[in-house]
Amino acid sequence: ETGVTQSPTHLIKTRGQQVTLRCSSQSGHNTVSWYQQALGQGPQFIFQYYREEENGRGNFPPRFSGLQFPNYSSELNVNALELDDSALYLCASSLDWGNYGYTFGSGTRLTVV
Amino acid sequence: RKEVEQDPGPFNVPEGATVAFNCTYSNSASQSFFWYRQDCRKEPKLLMSVYSSGNEDGRFTAQLNRASQYISLLIRDSKLSDSATYLCVVRGNSGNTPLVFGKGTRLSVIA
Repeated sequence: ETGVTQSPTHLIKTRGQQVTLRCSSQSGHNTVSWYQQALGQGPQFIFQYYREEENGRGNFPPRFSGLQFPNYSSELNVNALELDDSALYLCASSLDWGNYGYTFGSGTRLTVV
Repeated sequence: RKEVEQDPGPFNVPEGATVAFNCTYSNSASQSFFWYRQDCRKEPKLLMSVYSSGNEDGRFTAQLNRASQYISLLIRDSKLSDSATYLCVVRGNSGNTPLVFGKGTRLSVIA
């Protein structure tokens, strides 16, 4: 049973650029949730995908978008990066919307300069 | 008002001490409650779920008071390895409700 893998682990981007973060879900899981954790804060929910469809979204602007693929892996895309987007981005995979618990990846640390 | 509120600390305690963390939540529809542990620059990991009857796992005891919308975590006989940030987390009862995290309480156990 493999865990949740996120890539890249670290990334530095310039303001205004676009970024794609990737997450491979745990074997047998069909739901992926993305969270943003700024320094000194708790993780904030961005959105959730269940069987390739977005089925929940937090208070993030449309420039945050995502995809889930048939193998349940997922991408988070952020356009027009802003300095405040600098954070740890966490992916959590689960079975059936997290009703049986979540497994978090180790995150991607994004720095926007 | 934040949906989940915690005292951010830091709590600096000597080894062997007992320490308690508190958390309040604002959404009365919340149905599931957890404590997660997060080490510096790592992902959160589930420490324990919290049940209405209270539950214990070794040195860790969690309590839930639904009427007061209050959750607690007690750590007895603190170890150096308990140093981490403890996140209070709640979740609603429908399929697409996410985990809602508090800001976390930082604990440092000192030798």
